[in-house]
Parts: sequence; structure tokens; C-alpha cells
Amino acid sequence: EAQVTQNPRYLITVTGKKLTVTCSQNMNHEYMSWYRQDPGLGLRQIYYSMNVEVTDKGDVPEGYKVSRKEKRNFPLILESPSPNQTSLYFCASKGGSGRAYNEQFFGPGTRLTVL
Amino acid sequence: AQKITQTQPGMFVQEKEAVTLDCTYDTSDQSYGLFWYKQPSSGEMIFLIYQGSYDEQNATEGRYSLNFQKARKSANLVISASQLGDSAMYFCAMREAQNQFYFGTGTSLTVIP
Repeated sequence: EAQVTQNPRYLITVTGKKLTVTCSQNMNHEYMSWYRQDPGLGLRQIYYSMNVEVTDKGDVPEGYKVSRKEKRNFPLILESPSPNQTSLYFCASKGGSGRAYNEQFFGPGTRLTVL
Repeated sequence: AQKITQTQPGMFVQEKEAVTLDCTYDTSDQSYGLFWYKQPSSGEMIFLIYQGSYDEQNATEGRYSLNFQKARKSANLVISASQLGDSAMYFCAMREAQNQFYFGTGTSLTVIP
């Protein structure tokens, strides 16, 4: 089944404790992206990657790091989480050709709480 | 300036009626893409429809159509024959030429039986 997986799905942590949220896709997509969703703000892009070893900042990259060492994986790293990073995080990927190229597939989301 | 503006925080529609969800966008790129996503209460993001900036015809996908008015920079979603399962949050989004995405704040649609 074509899918984007994220782990963990739920995480409660404390300020300053480094964490990583993993994202993996099995569709051989070149493009991957991370978003955060906050009430009243919609989704905001954190980082995106056009391909392996290519990453770019989105709208709200501060406090986050990413890496793209393999095509299928795109982990999101919070080196020193703060309470304002409490949010719902989505990973997404897209690729293929023609009309399929434009469809972004989203993971199930990771709900992060930073105390 | 906001890249994507959705001015309707909440909308109600009678079952089987059509509804239009508004979206305006702001970009100086010539090549861009416009999208609508649905987010049910379960939380997943579901792709509904895509319109490219160079597409001359409005996109349609089943009961969904995108009313693209380039000069007005609007990309409204029209849902025909609303169903109870259409009750959800709807997000308009734009991809700019550099592949950065912007989402609106969403419209909560409630379908009334």
C-alpha cells in the first residue's frame, strides 16, 4: 500500500530534550516536506526537500532541522524543543509524473506536546 | 501579505445542495499550482483537486470543481450535491515556482441533514 508513515504518532516531552520525528514513504517520491498545523493558522511549511541531499527552508524553519540522506526518509529534528513547538506535525511526499506529480500524500500526523 | 486567504471560518449547507468555499491567493510567480485539501475530524489530510496556473479549463474531480479566476486571483472550491460525509475542514493551498507550499487557515463545512 502506498503510504507515508510517521513515528511516533504522539509524543509528550520536556523543554530542551532533543527529539526526532521520523517520516518514511514507499512511493519513490522525490519531494518530501514537513508542516505544522496550529489552530486558526492552518498548515505552515517547515522544510522541504526536492531530492536526496537537497533541503530548503519553508515558512517557519526556526528551531527545526531536517536531513535527506535517503530518498524514502525525511526526519524532523528538534534539537532543543520549546513549548511553542507544541503542534500537530505532518510529513508529506509527492512525485511521479503527469497529474500524479501534483498530488501530495500526507502522513497521519504526529501530535507533539512540549512541557 | 497572506499568500492564501480563506475568509469563511465556517459554512453550513443543506444536504444535496451545492456550496462554494472561497479562496484568494497572492503570488508574483507566473507558474504556480492551486490545491484543495479536506481534513475530516479524524485528522488526515485528503487531496481533492489541483489547478495549474496555465490550465485554461477549470479542474473537476467528481463532485468537486475549482472555479479558477486568474485575474481575480481566486480559486474557489465548489462541492455539488453535498453529502453528510463532506462535513470537514477544507484547506486551500498554493505551490509557488520554487515548490514552496502555502496553506490557508481553513473553512469548516457542516452539512445539515
